[in-house]
Amino acid sequence: GNSVTQMEGPVTLSEEAFLTINCTYTATGYPSLFWYVQYPGEGLQLLLKATKADDKGSNKGFEATYRKETTSFHLEKGSVQVSDSAVYFCALIPERLTGGGNKLTFGTGTQLKVEL
Amino acid sequence: GAGVSQSPSNKVTEKGKDVELRCDPISGHTALYWYRQSLGQGLEFLIYFQGNSAPDKSGLPSDRFSAERTGGSVSTLTIQRTQQEDSAVYLCASSLDPGDKEQFFGPGTRLTVL
Repeated sequence: GNSVTQMEGPVTLSEEAFLTINCTYTATGYPSLFWYVQYPGEGLQLLLKATKADDKGSNKGFEATYRKETTSFHLEKGSVQVSDSAVYFCALIPERLTGGGNKLTFGTGTQLKVEL
Repeated sequence: GAGVSQSPSNKVTEKGKDVELRCDPISGHTALYWYRQSLGQGLEFLIYFQGNSAPDKSGLPSDRFSAERTGGSVSTLTIQRTQQEDSAVYLCASSLDPGDKEQFFGPGTRLTVL
């Protein structure tokens, strides 16, 4: 079946540090890949996405590149801020689904804490 | 606002009671999803609606769980005879149509079963 594996947290960084959160997936074909973010007390928000191999998704200084050869979609940011403290979820939608729809398969989430 | 709304935001119930959780999707969104976020299981899919029909119920954990959608809009997730393992945050998401891969999530309902 489909699955997403992401690095365990919590991750604690100092402000302006470089961030990498690893994500790898298992799925046939070419799934669409996503990073969602959940700020404290808020709902899930889509951070970025990539729908085909070698695509780079980017938003708010975050980037992730769809690597088919390594089945990975690692999240990076060059300089984190305190306001980036949140839980980050990697997710996929399979290329083809029975029953219609686009149900997401999520990783377990990585908590990021950024300190001054 | 124009986002997905869910009610109640928090629900505490006793084991064995029935609960109903409500989701109001973004107006005009035909696809609606329910997910569950729990400590032991992470974020998992429960059910998908296209309009008022549910072509994918594969994530419902037991026959105590059911859901319906009326008027192509509001959806209700019902849990009968609640158990402590049902304690979780129940999230609803909607998208414009089934082919749209971007889902917009509501704030969730935190369910605690005592």
